[in-house]
Amino acid sequence: EAGVAQSPRYKIIEKRQSVAFWCNPISGHATLYWYQQILGQGPKLLIQFQNNGVVDDSQLPKDRFSAERLKGVDSTLKIQPAKLEDSAVYLCASSLVGPTEAFFGQGTRLTVV
Amino acid sequence: AQTVTQSQPEMSVQEAETVTLSCTYDTSESDYYLFWYKQPPSRQMILVIRQEAYKQQNATENRFSVNFQKAAKSFSLKISDSQLGDAAMYFCAYRSAMAGGGADGLTFGKGTHLIIQP
Repeated sequence: EAGVAQSPRYKIIEKRQSVAFWCNPISGHATLYWYQQILGQGPKLLIQFQNNGVVDDSQLPKDRFSAERLKGVDSTLKIQPAKLEDSAVYLCASSLVGPTEAFFGQGTRLTVV
Repeated sequence: AQTVTQSQPEMSVQEAETVTLSCTYDTSESDYYLFWYKQPPSRQMILVIRQEAYKQQNATENRFSVNFQKAAKSFSLKISDSQLGDAAMYFCAYRSAMAGGGADGLTFGKGTHLIIQP
């Protein structure tokens, strides 16, 4: 069974530029999460989708971050414009609906200079 | 809001010995799940073990076991017969079972870096 796929693995951009990350969840997983993991900290939930609807985006900085999940499958997370403090690993995870295991991708390491 | 605290930034253990990683959490909810995740340098989070709060019996998975103390809001991980492959960051995480609308994202602690000495 293929796991959660994320791209790119690494990205370096200058502050004020835009960047987008892509996630392809495990086939059949209705729930998709995006987490931000700053160096030295645990991941923090940014947004949760169920199918193509948003379930929780209470911690998403909506002035610069946006996310969508097209047709309830793939998802993209965008930052525009990026700030230095956005440097982090962005993890995508997916799961079946309900209290089941969430499977994580390998993440995208973003460096903003 | 729930919080998860891991008070040990780093732990070191000799290969084949036993180590315990600590985790405490704060919540007003009565129904929830607790997890330990392992994150190697590849960055991919791997589930080690999970515990349902309504279960009194402590979860075990081969060499990994937990000590779940609900009243004390404590959830420690014991790794027996430590192996070199166990070296990684370990994160304790909380998931609500009561949030409205299906919101069930994980709340993580800051992690413990586990070093295995040969």
